[in-house]
This record gives sequence, C-alpha cells and structure tokens, in this order.
Amino acid sequence: AQKVTQAQTEISVVEKEDVTLDCVYETRDTTYYLFWYKQPPSGELVFLIRRNSFDEQNEISGRYSWNFQKSTSSFNFTITASQVVDSAVYFCALSEDYMIYNQGGKLIFGQGTELSVKP
Amino acid sequence: EAGVVQSPRYKIIEKKQPVAFWCNPISGHNTLYWYLQNLGQGPELLIRYENEEAVDDSQLPKDRFSAERLKGVDSTLKIQPAELGDSAVYLCASSLRAGEVDTQYFGPGTRLTVL
Repeated sequence: AQKVTQAQTEISVVEKEDVTLDCVYETRDTTYYLFWYKQPPSGELVFLIRRNSFDEQNEISGRYSWNFQKSTSSFNFTITASQVVDSAVYFCALSEDYMIYNQGGKLIFGQGTELSVKP
Repeated sequence: EAGVVQSPRYKIIEKKQPVAFWCNPISGHNTLYWYLQNLGQGPELLIRYENEEAVDDSQLPKDRFSAERLKGVDSTLKIQPAELGDSAVYLCASSLRAGEVDTQYFGPGTRLTVL
C-alpha cells in the first residue's frame, strides 16, 4: 500500500533557526516520485520539489534542502535560517508511475506539518 | 503564465442544495485533477482526466458527485445534493503530460461550507 507519514503535526521555531520537516513513505515498488508542496494561509498548494526514485542526490535551493534516503524510505526537508514568510503547512506526497500501475499518477499526501516561524 | 483558475473561491449553501465548482487549467495542460481537502488533512484525489477522458474516478462518490471536462480544457465538479460532510476545500490541479508522472500545479481551491 502507498502511504506517506508526516509525524510532526506542528512545529514552532524562532526566526533564523533551522528546521527539518520529516517525511516517511511506503510504496510497493522501485519506480515512484516524491514531492514537497507548501500551502500558505491563502490555500494554494505551491510546488517546491519533485524527485524520482532513481535520483538519490540531495538537493539545495537557496535556504531549502532535501535529503532523500531510500534505505530509510525518507524524504526530509530542511529550511535554513527560517523566516516568517516560511510559515505555512508543508505537504510531502508520493506518486507511483501510472505507466506501471493503473492508479498511479495521483498524489498520495501526508497529513501535513504546520510550520510557524515567529519573529 | 497564468496558473490554475478556480471559481468560486468560497461557497456557502444549505444541505440538500446543489453546488458546482469550475476549474480552468494551465494552458496546454492535458491532465486535470480534482482533489478534496478536509480540514487538517492532505488532499485526496477525486478524479483525474486525460484530455476529455476520466481515467481514474475510483474515489468519486458517484451517487452525489459528478464531473465533466468538455473539450479537454475547463472542468466542472458538481455535488447534488450536498451534505454536511461535504464541507471542505475542493482543489483543482493540472499537469502537462499524460504519459508519465508529471508535476501537478494547483489552483487556490474552493472552500465549501454546507449548513
């Protein structure tokens, strides 16, 4: 079964602190895709990153970095030097390749982690 | 480039009334998705279209929900009749290619309140 677990429901930090959001996933095969989305109070889900299961390189984009570890089925997201504008709900999501699985292609989301960055 | 457009942004209705949501995907995107997001939860897929064809509607409660995507562009999601438990945010997303998993881009959603 496909499943995404974000064990941290809420995190509160003070501005300029580093923060890591955890994501653990379950999937039935070797071909899959992982995503992170940000949902600010306005409600729109904003795409942050996409990773396929064959690319285990970590990625850095400005203050954002992602650590993908297949051995532990984790895809964690770190914000360095957090800012108030980072306050939002962050979702990790999984998709299986629907060329292989009939109902792949849809995103399976975790419950989300609400990040609050205080000034 | 314009993003995914949804309307209305907010809708308040009484139970047993019908309601419809509209979505215009990003230009050129042939795959369109409707998701349901309950409070404090991640979105869950209701239906996926590739062009005009609904290729995955296994999670759509067909007794009261219906959707259409005429001409493979805009889409409408309808609930008739609405129930109290339908109060949620309805999100539309679109992606470019049908042949592989691609990045989905989301609209702002329609927040439905059923009284």
